Amino acid sequence: GAVVSQHPSWVICKSGTSVKIECRSLDFQATTMFWYRQFPKQSLMLMATSNEGSKATYEQGVEKDKFLINHASLTLSTLTVTSAHPEDSSFYICSARGTGGNQETQYFGPGTRLLVL
Amino acid sequence: AQTVTQSQPEMSVQEAETVTLSCTYDTSENNYYLFWYKQPPSRQMILVIRQEAYKQQNATENRFSVNFQKAAKSFSLKISDSQLGDTAMYFCAFGLDGNKLVFGAGTILRVKS
Repeated sequence: GAVVSQHPSWVICKSGTSVKIECRSLDFQATTMFWYRQFPKQSLMLMATSNEGSKATYEQGVEKDKFLINHASLTLSTLTVTSAHPEDSSFYICSARGTGGNQETQYFGPGTRLLVL
Repeated sequence: AQTVTQSQPEMSVQEAETVTLSCTYDTSENNYYLFWYKQPPSRQMILVIRQEAYKQQNATENRFSVNFQKAAKSFSLKISDSQLGDTAMYFCAFGLDGNKLVFGAGTILRVKS
């Protein structure tokens, strides 16, 4: 149980284009999802908290117009990197908050590697 | 604000031996959760073990166990009978009321054959 998927796993795009990453909870409903960014051999950096049916809460220093988050259903949150530039190249990971007795636990997707040329 | 400190950037252990990864945290809260996550080379974050602060008993999951010292704000992870598949980066994390997790910097563990 508590499986989270991400799509795509790999994406290469040209500078100036937009990229959408999907995060799905496959066997449970997730009212809250989180988006992280991770650089090699570093810890996870929280970008934003996504709540179903409401606006995302962004961490300080994260541009909300640059990283658009939509949590339109209880099983799907999307992160769109708008007008991507090479400095946006990174590993993006989503997680979903568990349910019932596991509400304090986050279950992670496999991540998406983004390379902007 | 809560902070999590992992003071060991890298560690290595021989296969079948036991290793302990350290984690300390700082909080003024009384009820919270602590986690150890594993990130192997595939980069998939995997939950290893979780501890509720209100429980005095240390959590165990097969070869993985924790030493939770609430007063000292310490939460170490012991891996027994280390296996090659345990090679990964291990993150200690602090959680409060289902909100965002605070992660430590991570410890790279290498299991040697």
